[in-house]
Amino acid sequence: DAGVTQSPTHLIKTRGQQVTLRCSPKSGHDTVSWYQQALGQGPQFIFQYYEEEERQRGNFPDRFSGHQFPNYSSELNVNALLLGDSALYLCASSLYGRVYTGELFFGEGSRLTVL
Amino acid sequence: TQLLEQSPQFLSIQEGENLTVYCNSSSVFSSLQWYRQEPGEGPVLLVTVVTGGEVKKLKRLTFQFGDARKDSSLHITAAQPGDTGLYLCAGANGQNFVFGPGTRLSVLP
Repeated sequence: DAGVTQSPTHLIKTRGQQVTLRCSPKSGHDTVSWYQQALGQGPQFIFQYYEEEERQRGNFPDRFSGHQFPNYSSELNVNALLLGDSALYLCASSLYGRVYTGELFFGEGSRLTVL
Repeated sequence: TQLLEQSPQFLSIQEGENLTVYCNSSSVFSSLQWYRQEPGEGPVLLVTVVTGGEVKKLKRLTFQFGDARKDSSLHITAAQPGDTGLYLCAGANGQNFVFGPGTRLSVLP
């Protein structure tokens, strides 16, 4: 049973560029959440997708956008990259409405470095 | 905005020692989770606590949720090098969680 998979694992971009990160949720899960984890900090919630719609959003600018596909996989897009966007981007999958039971599984993350 | 604070920020102890780390907030959470994260990996869920005053044990780890559901603690008995990692607490916020900054634990052999 595959867990949450993310790609790419590492990438380097320059300021002003755009990046797309991908996530496949754990088998049986229908909800994908994205988090940004800066070095030495806890994860910060970016947004959540369920039924191909953004359901909840954290305090991130519109440069951060996402998409969920019919197979539940998801993409995170970041435009006009800034140095401060350098971080580990984590994808977490769950069953909508079941978060409180503990069914929140994280992938290993995509490490983005902006130069 | 719901915020979680964790203390201490860093902790380095010898194998066999006991330790407690804390997670505090001014907000009430309907549930709270503890995760452990190792370098280069995503957080792994350790426990979910829901009821005020609840105590859960996971082998050498004991988790407690405060009566007012604003704080929590994690106690590790006889720490081992394998316990080394970043311990994160997270409070429920709608369908997602607000994370604290974490406590980085190092257990030396």
